[in-house]
Amino acid sequence: QKEVEQNSGPLSVPEGAIASLNCTYSDRVSQSFFWYRQYSGKSPELIMSIYSNGDKEDGRFTAQLNKASQYVSLLIRDSQPSDSATYLCAELTGGTSYGKLTFGQGTILTVHP
Amino acid sequence: DVKVTQSSRYLVKRTGEKVFLECVQDMDHENMFWYRQDPGLGLRLIYFSYDVKMKEKGDIPEGYSVSREKKERFSLILESASTNQTSMYLCASRDRPGTSGRPHSDTDTQYFGPGTRLTVL
Repeated sequence: QKEVEQNSGPLSVPEGAIASLNCTYSDRVSQSFFWYRQYSGKSPELIMSIYSNGDKEDGRFTAQLNKASQYVSLLIRDSQPSDSATYLCAELTGGTSYGKLTFGQGTILTVHP
Repeated sequence: DVKVTQSSRYLVKRTGEKVFLECVQDMDHENMFWYRQDPGLGLRLIYFSYDVKMKEKGDIPEGYSVSREKKERFSLILESASTNQTSMYLCASRDRPGTSGRPHSDTDTQYFGPGTRLTVL
């Protein structure tokens, strides 16, 4: 059973719209979650990390975590064509000292002008 | 600025060859990781190391081994390359969580190298 599931996509939104990316996880003890962005042919780069229930905002990006529902999401406001990429959700499992990241399969986002 | 480098961006090898993929980080990070990434399967962890000479199997260790003789360097070895090992290989490093004194902090962040696209013919 996959531990981290992302909405399959691909997701296409018009420029200026809100893009919503969703992720569910199965490990109830997980406490740390990450969103990475990966452009085609490049390696993943971190956008946001979130550890507490609720929202965390950073510029146009908002990460939301709901531990009761085991759900984490990423909202991108005022989407731009440069946001077109694959977005990877990850959870930290195995504890904070020696834990490892488990990734979802990724959601491809296309922002069209 | 964290820098993780990998020895090659593109590599072509023959079936049965022994293949070495090298990863070096310059941030004195304790944890290092090797992943492979395939379309539709996402990033899968092969091996990781949380200190020099320490290694742990990830989710798909079969057909691979690793070596960590120095803190900054983590090598992935394909003892006898096979065509199903054709993939993008990504190395990552991370400072040991908690070194900032807080249990959850951005030291949990993994930083990735540029990747090595390996083709096995």
